[in-house]
Amino acid sequence: DIQMTQSPSSLSASVGDRVTITCRASQGIRIDLGWYQQKPGKAPQRLIFAASSLQSGVPSRFSGSGSGTEFTLTISSLQPEDFATYYCLQHNSYPWTFGQGTKVEIK
Amino acid sequence: QVQLQESGPGLVKPSRTLSITCTVSRGSISNGGFYWNWFRQRPGKGLEWIGYIFETGTTYYNPSLKSRLRLSVDTSKNQFSLQLSSVTAADTAIYYCAALRNAVDIWGQGTKVTVSS
Repeated sequence: DIQMTQSPSSLSASVGDRVTITCRASQGIRIDLGWYQQKPGKAPQRLIFAASSLQSGVPSRFSGSGSGTEFTLTISSLQPEDFATYYCLQHNSYPWTFGQGTKVEIK
Repeated sequence: QVQLQESGPGLVKPSRTLSITCTVSRGSISNGGFYWNWFRQRPGKGLEWIGYIFETGTTYYNPSLKSRLRLSVDTSKNQFSLQLSSVTAADTAIYYCAALRNAVDIWGQGTKVTVSS
């Protein structure tokens, strides 16, 4: 299985901050990666697909980059509604695997 | 656009078979090129991919569940289903169905399943 190592596991940030979350794959996955946001009690929602493509309807303050083994999700200016848990998901090889999640909390 | 709704038993006894159905609305399960997926999230934990079934009937299962898992599609009811046999407390989770296709990613709201006697 491909291991997705996500960091940090949690972070505290203020509204307006720039936030960066990283996922590292244990082997190359091209750009077969998505980023998801999950709020308590809700289903995950995809923000980014194909490593850097913005999902329709998602604010442009979210961006993704990377290929191969290292990927980044950036929130350029954190908004109150962005406090949530974020996951990466690789779908290059079976079984598809998630990172362990990054909880973004209010500072 | 396509909408998904899970329906499950809520409570299942250990060693029994868990069955969950996902009803597809505002779209057809038999065309459109969607991968009909199942995911789960154990209490306080991260997300786990269970497997998917394509409209052709092709399935891919997570090896960790493969021996107990069966995914199926009922095109007449516009539904797809998950059956997980010999459940234990470790199968207690929120189960989500999801439709994935390139730029499209649609999830149901999830159904909570508890395995307990």
